[in-house]
Formats: sequence, structure tokens, C-alpha cells
Amino acid sequence: GNSVTQMEGPVTLSEEAFLTINCTYTATGYPSLFWYVQYPGEGLQLLLKATKADDKGSNKGFEATYRKETTSFHLEKGSVQVSDSAVYFCALSATTGAGTALIFGKGTTLSVSS
Amino acid sequence: GAVVSQHPSWVICKSGTSVKIECRSLDFQATTMFWYRQFPKQSLMLMATSNEGSKATYEQGVEKDKFLINHASLTLSTLTVTSAHPEDSSFYICSASRENNEQFFGPGTRLTVL
Repeated sequence: GNSVTQMEGPVTLSEEAFLTINCTYTATGYPSLFWYVQYPGEGLQLLLKATKADDKGSNKGFEATYRKETTSFHLEKGSVQVSDSAVYFCALSATTGAGTALIFGKGTTLSVSS
Repeated sequence: GAVVSQHPSWVICKSGTSVKIECRSLDFQATTMFWYRQFPKQSLMLMATSNEGSKATYEQGVEKDKFLINHASLTLSTLTVTSAHPEDSSFYICSASRENNEQFFGPGTRLTVL
């Protein structure tokens, strides 16, 4: 079946530190991979995505590379800011009987202090 | 653009009553809407997928008679939790997608059943 595993949080960092949030997946076929971010009090927002192996998604300084050989899609940012504090969800797309749905990891809470 | 709203954002009800949650796409027509449920520190679990004008497709283990979904227009889907019990207390999140399949998420509804 399809599943997503991401590292447990919370992750606590100082401003300008390097961030890595690990994400691995199991899937049938070749899914698209996503990172979503949820800021306090808001809905999930798409942060970045990759649709095929070796693709790199990037946005707002965050990057993730679709690694088929290791079934991973780790999220990285070179220098985090306080405003990056949020919950981050890794997800993959899966085909269901009704269309294409998203399978999510449990989410990782990031807290950045100044 | 691509804003999705949910109403109410927070509801408390007595055991045995029914609760309706609305999901609206405010500035686009959504061909498909999804309903997710999120327990504390857990991932979002897909409950059902609905296409406008047709019956919702429920995921395995989700009781269709308990979680009634109506998708009467391209901008509105409703989830009714019938005869709610404390174990139904959760965070319910909807998303809406356009034809390119990207999903846009609502801010969620916190349901507490006493």
C-alpha cells in the first residue's frame, strides 16, 4: 500500500540554522511527492512538489529532491527564520476509485527561536 | 486565488446530536472535494472524495451513514456527522481541487462532542 513516514518532532532550531526533515515513502507506481506547511491557525498550503524521480522542488528557500532509489523526499533549508515555525507535512499522491488523493505523513512541528 | 473556507471553525455539541460542516471554494469551481480527519499528533486521514453531483466515495472503514457528504454545487460540499459521540471528536479538514488536481485546503473545523 501507500504510506508516508516522516521524522518525529518537534524540531527546535535557532534562527539561521540548517534544517532537515526526513521523509520516506512506500508506494505502488510512481507517485508525485509534496511538502505542505501549516502555519498556526491556517489551512495547509502547498510548499513544494516533485512529480518524477530526480526532480527537485523548491520554494521560499526550501528544497526537496525526489529520490526513487532511497524512496525519500527530505525537506531542507539552509537558514531558517522565526517565520518558518509551522507544522510540515510530507505527502504523496495516490490514485483511488474516485480520483487522485493525498496520503500524508504525521507532520513535523518546527519551532525556530531568535 | 484558490481560497477554501470552512464553517464553523469550532463546534461543541452534545452526544447524539448531528453537526454539519461546510466547505466552500471561494474563488474557483472545484471539480472534486476531499474530507480528511486529523487526530492529535496524527496525519490527515482521507475520509471520502466527492465529485459535484455524484455520490461520495468513502475510504475503507469510514461509515457512510454516519458521515454524510453532500456536494451539491461546484463551490460547496457539506459533511454531516450524524448522532455524534465523543469518539467523533476530531479536527475535520476539507480540500478542493480544480482540473489540474492540485488540492487547496480549508483551515479545518474542530469538533468536540460532550
